[in-house]
Amino acid sequence: GAVVSQHPSRVICKSGTSVKIECRSLDFQATTMFWYRQFPKKSLMLMATSNEGSKATYEQGVEKDKFLINHASLTLSTLTVTSAHPEDSSFYICSARESGSSTDTQYFGPGTRLTVL
Amino acid sequence: AQSVAQPEDQVNVAEGNPLTVKCTYSVSGNPYLFWYVQYPNRGLQFLLKYITGDNLVKGSYGFEAEFNKSQTSFHLKKPSALVSDSALYFCVVRDKGHGGSQGNLIFGKGTKLSVKP
Repeated sequence: GAVVSQHPSRVICKSGTSVKIECRSLDFQATTMFWYRQFPKKSLMLMATSNEGSKATYEQGVEKDKFLINHASLTLSTLTVTSAHPEDSSFYICSARESGSSTDTQYFGPGTRLTVL
Repeated sequence: AQSVAQPEDQVNVAEGNPLTVKCTYSVSGNPYLFWYVQYPNRGLQFLLKYITGDNLVKGSYGFEAEFNKSQTSFHLKKPSALVSDSALYFCVVRDKGHGGSQGNLIFGKGTKLSVKP
């Protein structure tokens, strides 16, 4: 089946530093990838939708200058949390939708636990 | 607006007993409905989906869900629960897209399933 990987799985950083999270679709091409944030015991909140070769579309309330998204290829999207602060600590999950798929299924990565000290 | 509701925060079941995780939805037009499962500190795994066709949908790990249009429900079921089924379950509806594009996933708040030996 379709596999989405994320790296790193866990990261701890100091306040003020930037952190990059990679999301890869391993066995399919993904024109569209999604970045979600999940707080403890809460549902997933869509942060942004990234389309290969174009600018990401951010959801209301998500700072595009703080959460930089790049989708340079059909198998890779990156999320960079710039000047991270403790309130950015969260579980970040990416998702990918297979290009040209009629199945309407999104596949999710295993998530990245970010802790900002 | 499209929405999905999971009325139970937690469901407790004894191993070997049948389980039901409830979900109701509100959509305009034909719904695209999904169930995902999330194990602790992991990403989401796709279980099953309803797009069209038979109201009873069979998915991974022995789970199934029944689409009921009159009751606007899409309850997740399994005839015999396993301890390993303990996880967080999300009912998801796909939002209507715009301009021919596919819509975004809208997540329920999640239901924690606990299966005791």
